[in-house]
Amino acid sequence: QVQLVQSGAEVKKPGASVKVSCKASGYTFTGYYMHWVRQAPGQGLEWMGWINPNSGGTNYAQKFQGRVTMTRDTSISTAYMELSRLRSDDTAVYYCARVGWYSSSGGKFDYWGQGTLVTVSS
Amino acid sequence: DIQMTQSPSSLSASVGDRVTITCRASQGISNSLAWYQQKPGKAPKLLLYAASRLESGVPSRFSGSGSGTDYTLTISSLQPEDFATYYCQQYYSTPITFGPGTKVDIK
Repeated sequence: QVQLVQSGAEVKKPGASVKVSCKASGYTFTGYYMHWVRQAPGQGLEWMGWINPNSGGTNYAQKFQGRVTMTRDTSISTAYMELSRLRSDDTAVYYCARVGWYSSSGGKFDYWGQGTLVTVSS
Repeated sequence: DIQMTQSPSSLSASVGDRVTITCRASQGISNSLAWYQQKPGKAPKLLLYAASRLESGVPSRFSGSGSGTDYTLTISSLQPEDFATYYCQQYYSTPITFGPGTKVDIK
């Protein structure tokens, strides 16, 4: 069965960086694009970007350009999202989500990780 | 960017009620629309995609319709486990955008 398991909660100081991992299992990791979505406390869902696990190609939301880096390690079927120069308003739950169509950058998000809470506080 | 709006922002309903949530895109999205259900502390769960296609395993009381810029999610007979927040999402173009959500709670 498809599973996306994310790394644990993080507490960071303003200005620091955080790297969240998303380990995939139960399917061919390189066949399905991975997206990252975040949710601030009590707020809605905000798309951050995607990575093509096959090529490593990325597409980031303009809001995060220059601060976000999405990478992957195909040998361990894991995607990563690193956010730098953290601010207090980056406090949120960060989710990875798989696109449900083979080799498609867009589409339904059929499987989600459990979420990783990143708290930014001095 | 395509802006997504939802109405209502919240509603109170009883078990057995028929519930309809609407979602509007700022431009046509060619049925490239998904609906998600989210419960507190949990990741969103995919309910429907391509505006009206039911994801595998999702109960048939959930249905979707619409075209162009206007879409609806209908729950035909609300069940206790359906009390949650519902989001629409367009995947027609990047940046992918979500509606602000509709919270369904118990009357």
